[in-house]
Amino acid sequence: AQSVTQPDIHITVSEGASLELRCNYSYGATPYLFWYVQSPGQGLQLLLKYFSGDTLVQGIKGFEAEFKRSQSSFNLRKPSVHWSDAAEYFCAVGPGRGAGNKLTFGGGTRVLVKP
Amino acid sequence: GAVVSQHPSRVICKSGTSVKIECRSLDFQATTMFWYRQFPKQSLMLMATSNEGSKATYEQGVEKDKFLINHASLTLSTLTVTSAHPEDSSFYICSARSRPGNTEAFFGQGTRLTVV
Repeated sequence: AQSVTQPDIHITVSEGASLELRCNYSYGATPYLFWYVQSPGQGLQLLLKYFSGDTLVQGIKGFEAEFKRSQSSFNLRKPSVHWSDAAEYFCAVGPGRGAGNKLTFGGGTRVLVKP
Repeated sequence: GAVVSQHPSRVICKSGTSVKIECRSLDFQATTMFWYRQFPKQSLMLMATSNEGSKATYEQGVEKDKFLINHASLTLSTLTVTSAHPEDSSFYICSARSRPGNTEAFFGQGTRLTVV
């Protein structure tokens, strides 16, 4: 069975500082990996995704993530956070094409940005 | 990008009544829609998967008679919470996928259901 772990429940970062959110997954085959952001009371917005190819993936809003198969990780990074980046971030893994696209989400990491 | 719209965004209902939540794909045809439930400060849990024109597939532990899902067209799926109780209060989110082989799904903005 696939699973996703986000070890950090909360992260507080100062505006302008760098941010890294951890994500570890468990899946038997090559996973399809996603990062989503959720603002309070809102749905999910896709930040980036990894299917194959270059293991460093660029997303929207200045985010990037690196797939490391040896570590079963897909950590999200941003060099300089903005106050508007305060939100909940979810890592998700999917089983790939033709398998129903049932996404399994991590528990989420809430990011607080200090002025 | 593809847009998925949920309606209503918030609803308050009395215990024992039924509530319908709509999920529409605005600029693409959604062969598959997914319904998730999210408790406060928790992650999303998949409730069911619905394919257009067929019965929904429910995840283990989800009562299909309580959470009725209809996917009658390629742009609309509905979730009806029947005989709602306070413990059904939650944030419900749908997502939609355009093609069976397409892994990426697009999410609606969610519906906050409060049962009083």
